[in-house]
Amino acid sequence: GAGVSQSPRYKVAKRGQDVALRCDPISGHVSLFWYQQALGQGPEFLTYFQNEAQLDKSGLPSDRFFAERPEGSVSTLKIQRTQKEDSAVYLCASSLGHLSGNTIYFGEGSWLTVV
Amino acid sequence: GDSVTQMEGPVTLSEEAFLTINCTYTATGYPSLFWYVQYPGEGLQLLLKATKADDKGSNKGFEATYRKETTSFHLEKGSVQVSDSAVYFCALTNNAGNMLTFGGGTRLMVKP
Repeated sequence: GAGVSQSPRYKVAKRGQDVALRCDPISGHVSLFWYQQALGQGPEFLTYFQNEAQLDKSGLPSDRFFAERPEGSVSTLKIQRTQKEDSAVYLCASSLGHLSGNTIYFGEGSWLTVV
Repeated sequence: GDSVTQMEGPVTLSEEAFLTINCTYTATGYPSLFWYVQYPGEGLQLLLKATKADDKGSNKGFEATYRKETTSFHLEKGSVQVSDSAVYFCALTNNAGNMLTFGGGTRLMVKP
């Protein structure tokens, strides 16, 4: 596609509910990233894929967070038993490769509110 | 670890004023440096980048120069417009290019 596409754009979840956030990267982009952006803050790294391999998941805040990219294209970020502190914008990004200087393109984000 | 520090906002300017948003960084090796912009209700957009020392990134009248000696990448624009009102994020990638580290963002408000 023309850009990184994320869905849903907005999600309200009740505390304890599971949510799944989808990301369609730019076609042909090898690298895919998930970031979490709390209100008024800069984005914080969650996890990184190169093709289908999850090479870094050091930013996932707890074992309730799980990400996958089974065919090296679309990715899903799953949050189990959501808590209020999970409320944030979840940003997906992609880039052509893993070299430093490659531009990383962001989607518009999925805005999650846990009530 | 790597880190980015930006001046706190909001920065409020009148139209046609000169803009500087300070950004300094701490990183090992030779990171690439970026400015991203987030307009209200929209996603992050790359504004400009520089991949090595003394490089100048520029776009839409904005400029920033990669200064390794002062570990800085300050954003400047000679004459801001109301449409430049947004949140600006300074960021760097690590040597492997697989992680962006962001500053906290600086909100710019331009008044007519």
